[in-house]
Amino acid sequence: AQSVTQPDARVTVSEGASLQLRCKYSYSGTPYLFWYVQYPRQGLQLLLKYYSGDPVVQGVNGFEAEFSKSNSSFHLRKASVHWSDSAVYFCVSSNTNKVVFGTGTRLQVLP
Amino acid sequence: EAAVTQSPRNKVAVTGGKVTLSCNQTNNHNNMYWYRQDTGHGLRLIHYSYGAGSTEKGDIPDGYKASRPSQENFSLILELATPSQTSVYFCASGSGRGTGQLYFGEGSKLTVL
Repeated sequence: AQSVTQPDARVTVSEGASLQLRCKYSYSGTPYLFWYVQYPRQGLQLLLKYYSGDPVVQGVNGFEAEFSKSNSSFHLRKASVHWSDSAVYFCVSSNTNKVVFGTGTRLQVLP
Repeated sequence: EAAVTQSPRNKVAVTGGKVTLSCNQTNNHNNMYWYRQDTGHGLRLIHYSYGAGSTEKGDIPDGYKASRPSQENFSLILELATPSQTSVYFCASGSGRGTGQLYFGEGSKLTVL
């Protein structure tokens, strides 16, 4: 069965520090992979997506993610976080039949 | 710009009452989805639709019905609301069957007393 695991429910970093949010997926093939962000009292917005090709994909606001087939991972990274990056981040996997969400990682950026 | 609008944004209902959550999209997407979001569960799929007149059960359909009268509109119906259905509900639209980006509304917070 297809699944997505975000092992860290909460991550706290200081402003200006680098960030990595972890995501592991389980799927027999290569799914389409997404990272969404949810700011307080808002819906989810797309940060970036991976369909195929270059395993490092760039997104909005300086975010990037790296796909690893061997590790079944799609980790999200940012070189230097800002306080406005505080939000909940969801890793999402999809194929032709189903969209599966991870449980989310709440990021708190300390000033 | 892609737009998904939900109404109402906040709703307080009584146990046993009927609740209808509405969703309108101007993206001309074939696919629409209803999710609920609860702490520790992420987003869980309730119902979805691949086009006007069609609805499909998602992962947690019990206690919910859905209606897709047109390309633009997709409703979630709770015939007999229960406190366990207190949650935040999100509507989304998308163009591909699970392969494309989803566009989300801003959510409807439902409290069942």
